[in-house]
This record gives sequence, C-alpha cells and structure tokens, in this order.
Amino acid sequence: EPEVTQTPSHQVTQMGQEVILRCVPISNHLYFYWYRQILGQKVEFLVSFYNNEISEKSEIFDDQFSVERPDGSNFTLKIRSTKLEDSAMYFCASAGTKYEQYFGPGTRLTVT
Amino acid sequence: KNEVEQSPQNLTAQEGEFITINCSYSVGISALHWLQQHPGGGIVSLFMLSSGKKKHGRLIATINIQEKHSSLHITASHPRDSAVYICAVSSPNTGNQFYFGTGTSLTVIP
Repeated sequence: EPEVTQTPSHQVTQMGQEVILRCVPISNHLYFYWYRQILGQKVEFLVSFYNNEISEKSEIFDDQFSVERPDGSNFTLKIRSTKLEDSAMYFCASAGTKYEQYFGPGTRLTVT
Repeated sequence: KNEVEQSPQNLTAQEGEFITINCSYSVGISALHWLQQHPGGGIVSLFMLSSGKKKHGRLIATINIQEKHSSLHITASHPRDSAVYICAVSSPNTGNQFYFGTGTSLTVIP
C-alpha cells in the first residue's frame, strides 16, 4: 500500500543552524501539507502546497520557513535559522483529493 | 481560539468496555476526520466523514452536521486500542487545511 515517507526520523541541530526536512508523498497525489506538534500540544497546520505554490500558510509559517518540491517527488520543509521553540514533531501529509490526507511518520526535530 | 473541541481529554477503560469520544467544531467543514496517534508519534487516518455514519471493524464514527458534532465509538475495547484519538476538520474556507482537536488519550486496561 502506498505511503508517505519522511526523513530523517530524528534530527538534532544547534540553534541558528538550517535544517531541511524531507518528505516523499504518495506518487499521484497533488496536495501537500506540513504540520507540527510541539511535545504535549496539539497538531498545528503550517502550510499547504498545490500546483507548485503555497496555497495556505499559518501564522507559524514565517520567513524562517520555506517549502519546495525540487524534483517532482520530494517535498521539503526548510527552517533557515532554527530556534529552541522549533523543537517539535513535523508531519508531512499528501492528498489525492482535497479532503483525505495521508500522514507520514513524522520527523522529530530537537534544537539544542 | 479552538475550532475543534474534544472530550474527554483522558479516558481509562477496562478491556471490553464500550467507549465514546466526542468532538464539536465551530467552523464550516468539508469533512471531519478521526485520526489515531500511537506513542511513537505516527498518525493514522481512521475515518473521513461528511455525513452519517461509518463503521470499520470495532470502530464506528458518526457525524451530525446540523449540531456540528461527531462521535467515535469503540466496541469491545482492547489494550491495543490504547492511543491518542484526534478529531480534525478540513475547512473549504482555508484551503482544506486540517484544524486539530487536542486529542483524547485512551488507555484500555486488561
């Protein structure tokens, strides 16, 4: 059964460093999403991406964040200069229609 | 503001009990989703509903669009059902991004 994959599963980085989180969505999907979950809190929407551009983004998704679909298969989230409060689990999701999303296993980002 | 409210936050049940988790939402939706999150963190989609009722094995999900309310039921609960159950809605007004509830942490005791 097709699934969304994410790498790495755990990333440890120092404050101020750039990180790139990678996702491989399900191959025929058209809609892509990033969410984050700070430990002990609810999952929060970051950004949605369709037709090679951002369709919606939340207040969390500020200038430090960017997304890209560099090669038609990967979907990446870049954090330019990480802060301690960026430590969270980051989930990628993809959808073939607008309504049903399939989630990846998540990348746990730890900023020290 | 919380677009999605769940109750209870925590639930402990004896194996075999019938379990109900409730979800209320305040935004217009295109669909409501019940998700399961295991201790390792991964999220699995259980149901997507826009009306009525769906059943999958021992899990049943219902939605009342007029009342903006949904319930997730687990019949004959088992310790392996222990997880966090999350209600999420997708809203057509905001690109169908998900709004998530805070989750219900379920523990089923043998």
